[in-house]
Amino acid sequence: RKEVEQDPGPFNVPEGATVAFNCTYSNSASQSFFWYRQDCRKEPKLLMSVYSSGNEDGRFTAQLNRASQYISLLIRDSKLSDSATYLCVVNALTGGGNKLTFGTGTQLKVEL
Amino acid sequence: DGGITQSPKYLFRKEGQNVTLSCEQNLNHDAMYWYRQDPGQGLRLIYYSQIVNDFQKGDIAEGYSVSREKKESFPLTVTSAQKNPTAFYLCATSPGLAYTGELFFGEGSRLTVL
Repeated sequence: RKEVEQDPGPFNVPEGATVAFNCTYSNSASQSFFWYRQDCRKEPKLLMSVYSSGNEDGRFTAQLNRASQYISLLIRDSKLSDSATYLCVVNALTGGGNKLTFGTGTQLKVEL
Repeated sequence: DGGITQSPKYLFRKEGQNVTLSCEQNLNHDAMYWYRQDPGQGLRLIYYSQIVNDFQKGDIAEGYSVSREKKESFPLTVTSAQKNPTAFYLCATSPGLAYTGELFFGEGSRLTVL
């Protein structure tokens, strides 16, 4: 089983749609969780951290379910500019310090 | 401007040649990292460093080498021993290894071996 698993997509949705991605992780000792956005041929950029209580930033909502070991990202009212790959990132404490593990990413395409 | 600068952005090399990718930061971060990204795969850690003159192997260090002679700089050499060097290479920093927040990335270097 991969440490961090995401559905690669692509998810093709019409503009204005609500779309949700899930990401599962295998290390129950994972401490912190993030969603990054990566545009084609660019570096990843932090979209939002994911907190246990869930958090919202405008049209984006992230949630964490520790019992089932998954995190989710919900995008409401999708815009064309939301088209990108969304990377799930999990941070676990190891003997060598914190270790970030990246999912392979979920590709989103928002269409007219 | 504060940030991470990677160079070159695009690099083409013949098979069997060593290449060095530059990564410079002015964020005053202690920890620096090199990742490799291939299509359909997540970022994979090559090397990381917490302090000057110290660095550790990541998950896929074979065929790569690094140095950390200055806090600001963490160059990566892709040697001829790396079997599949064509990839997108990303340098990242964080305040320290114990930091549980996000990584800060450079714009990446795309290496193509012909």
